[in-house]
Amino acid sequence: DTGVSQDPRHKITKRGQNVTFRCDPISEHNRLYWYRQTLGQGPEFLTYFQNEAQLEKSRLLSDRFSAERPKGSFSTLEIQRTEQGDSAMYLCASSLAHSNEQYFGPGTRLTVT
Amino acid sequence: DQQVKQNSPSLSVQEGRISILNCDYTNSMFDYFLWYKKYPAEGPTFLISISSIKDKNEDGRFTVFLNKSAKHLSLHIVPSQPGDSAVYFCAASGETSYDKVIFGPGTSLSVIP
Repeated sequence: DTGVSQDPRHKITKRGQNVTFRCDPISEHNRLYWYRQTLGQGPEFLTYFQNEAQLEKSRLLSDRFSAERPKGSFSTLEIQRTEQGDSAMYLCASSLAHSNEQYFGPGTRLTVT
Repeated sequence: DQQVKQNSPSLSVQEGRISILNCDYTNSMFDYFLWYKKYPAEGPTFLISISSIKDKNEDGRFTVFLNKSAKHLSLHIVPSQPGDSAVYFCAASGETSYDKVIFGPGTSLSVIP
């Protein structure tokens, strides 16, 4: 296992289009997190899963955003009707339950034109 | 409302000298603190952490100091090496909240050979 992977690494889309990102966590990790990072800021929490259950969503996660983790393994983050303000790095992380140490993937950089 | 603050956006240090990165937090409910390091084009990687029941934690060249009364923590790197050049994020979470980690905006460290 080489760690958390994310696909794609880069995505350029036009405003109004839908995009979907995938995250594959470390296999034995049952917690999975999504963050968004903009220039000059640290990662901002979006949502997290324990196994397949989505346990918390940030108010940053508008109704255009949806995340799933259907079998408790990989996760997808979909953004509908993208806006220019959605341009950011989207980071996925995973951890064991009851551990604060999260392992991050390399991120997906989204550019909305 | 930034709960975790890193007031120095950047820091330059000569190789071999000590690097001190500072972090302040506002939420007194935070009980666990972490430092992450981030290289360009990679996700953040966990570096070191400290629980609020301690005031110091050391791991090799890295030491984190916590002053709960001042709501302040610092990361010391001794001796600094060029490979330490990266962005360092301070992060915090609640003792009973393993779900959400709040990150600061980061400090970019440059270690000059």
